[in-house]
Amino acid sequence: GAGVSQSPSNKVTEKGKDVELRCDPISGHTALYWYRQSLGQGLEFLIYFQGNSAPDKSGLPSDRFSAERTGGSVSTLTIQRTQQEDSAVYLCASSLAAGTNYGYTFGSGTRLTVV
Amino acid sequence: AQKVTQAQTEISVVEKEDVTLDCVYETRDTTYYLFWYKQPPSGELVFLIRRNSFDEQNEISGRYSWNFQKSTSSFNFTITASQVVDSAVYFCALSEAGGYQKVTFGTGTKLQVIP
Repeated sequence: GAGVSQSPSNKVTEKGKDVELRCDPISGHTALYWYRQSLGQGLEFLIYFQGNSAPDKSGLPSDRFSAERTGGSVSTLTIQRTQQEDSAVYLCASSLAAGTNYGYTFGSGTRLTVV
Repeated sequence: AQKVTQAQTEISVVEKEDVTLDCVYETRDTTYYLFWYKQPPSGELVFLIRRNSFDEQNEISGRYSWNFQKSTSSFNFTITASQVVDSAVYFCALSEAGGYQKVTFGTGTKLQVIP
């Protein structure tokens, strides 16, 4: 697609439920990133996928968080047993693996509210 | 460990004034990349610039200019003759060599341009 697509744009869930957030990167971009932006905060790195390499999961805040990327394209971020502190905007970005001066292209994010 | 500090949380200026957004970074890498992103009220992060650690030349793009100084570990961003459309949150960011690894973001500076 022309840009990074994230769905849903908004998600309200009850505490304790599982949620799945989807990211569809730009076609041909081999690198994909998930970030979390809490209210009034900067962007917190969660996980990074690059081609077929093992993902960098160093930013995942707990074992309730997991992500996968199927076929080197679409990625799903799963949060199990959601807590109120998980409420945030979850941003996905993609980039070309080869040299580029165009930085990362971000999606519009999924606003997650845990009630 | 990488760290990006944006000490200015919020700045308000009157339209047509110049404004400088400060960014100070920490890294042990000798090769690294610095970025600025704009996040307008719509929420989507927009890439503005990417600089590598070997290029200390200042850059100008229209009303935007960037001052990179390795001696002070700073990468400041100046908007000349600010406009209402410049109102947004601006993030400074840093990544390791290659720029394809995880990007560490500052907490952002909210700029409000008053007409």
